[in-house]
Amino acid sequence: NAGVTQTPKFQVLKTGQSMTLQCAQDMNHNSMYWYRQDPGMGLRLIYYSASEGTTDKGEVPNGYNVSRLNKREFSLRLESAAPSQTSVYFCASSEDWGDTEAFFGQGTRLTVV
Amino acid sequence: GEDVEQSLFLSVREGDSSVINCTYTDSSSTYLYWYKQEPGAGLQLLTYIFSNMDMKQDQRLTVLLNKKDKHLSLRIADTQTGDSAIYFCAEGTTGSARQLTFGSGTQLTVLP
Repeated sequence: NAGVTQTPKFQVLKTGQSMTLQCAQDMNHNSMYWYRQDPGMGLRLIYYSASEGTTDKGEVPNGYNVSRLNKREFSLRLESAAPSQTSVYFCASSEDWGDTEAFFGQGTRLTVV
Repeated sequence: GEDVEQSLFLSVREGDSSVINCTYTDSSSTYLYWYKQEPGAGLQLLTYIFSNMDMKQDQRLTVLLNKKDKHLSLRIADTQTGDSAIYFCAEGTTGSARQLTFGSGTQLTVLP
């Protein structure tokens, strides 16, 4: 019963470094999402993938890129990390993009110094 | 744009009822959700209510919606220590997870 799995759980980057956050789901879901969670704020959508082969910008896409590698995997890349990208990142999936229920991973806590 | 507001903290005694409140601004909200986040875990959907409903009950959980005042509440009866978590209110005009607007979350602490 893995559900949505994110790696790594924790990461510290220096300003300007790049890294990719990985996400995989084993529920055969069509749609996947990346959110960031900042203190005192709700989750904000960075990018989503309604189905394999498609990706679209969410509310806060600047500074990020995504790849829907296959149906299972959806990665988030920071090309040149900035301190403003210090956050907790959540990946989620849902059966379809119009589905009411999203299943979330456990989060990646990223600190950019 | 849309806004969803919640108070940040709530403490209750074990066995008491908890009431977590949420207000939203988007009058076209159709779906209203409550998510629970336990320490070190992702968000888990607890329950949701459609805007044409006033109340929904699911075991110890009761959701009340006042559409006129754009106010949503989650009542947890007989609160247990396992209920300690952050509770997020979210709203959407469609049923899609990609269009949800989340509140900042309410940290519920259950005291023995």
